[in-house]
Amino acid sequence: SQKIEQNSEALNIQEGKTATLTCNYTNYSPAYLQWYRQDPGRGPVFLLLIRENEKEKRKERLKVTFDTTLKQSLFHITASQPADSATYLCVLEPGGGGADGLTFGKGTHLIIQP
Amino acid sequence: GAVVSQHPSWVICKSGTSVKIECRSLDFQATTMFWYRQFPKQSLMLMATSNEGSKATYEQGVEKDKFLINHASLTLSTLTVTSAHPEDSSFYICSASGEYYGYTFGSGTRLTVV
Repeated sequence: SQKIEQNSEALNIQEGKTATLTCNYTNYSPAYLQWYRQDPGRGPVFLLLIRENEKEKRKERLKVTFDTTLKQSLFHITASQPADSATYLCVLEPGGGGADGLTFGKGTHLIIQP
Repeated sequence: GAVVSQHPSWVICKSGTSVKIECRSLDFQATTMFWYRQFPKQSLMLMATSNEGSKATYEQGVEKDKFLINHASLTLSTLTVTSAHPEDSSFYICSASGEYYGYTFGSGTRLTVV
């Protein structure tokens, strides 16, 4: 069965450092991989999408890599801030078009300590 | 950008009663809407997918007679939890996708059945 593993349930990082979150998957060949942020009691908020033929995508302080050989994505937040504290979800999508469902990881709870 | 409004944000109901949750796309037409359920510290689990004007497609293990989904227009989908029981207490989240947008999530509904 399809499985998504995110590196840990909680990750503590000192403010200003780079936070790196890991997403590994098995039995899946996603066309797209997405990262979402979820705050307690709220719905997920889209951050970045990377396609299977892309190696890296950046957006401001965020960077995502996608290695389809290793079946792994890394999500980096540089110059981390306490406001970045949240749960980050790795999400796989089988194809484009917006009509297919998503498969979610459990998420990594990131805590940025001042 | 695309906005999805979900109401109510929280609801407490008595066991045996029914609860309706609304999901509206405010500035785009959502051809497909998804309903998810999330238990504490767990990933979002897809319950059903609905396309406007047609019956919803339920995931395995989700009772369609208990979780009634209506997608009567391109901007509104509703999820009704019928004869709710304490084990139905969870965080319910809707997501919408349209022709030009990826996935946009609602803010979620915390259901507590007492």
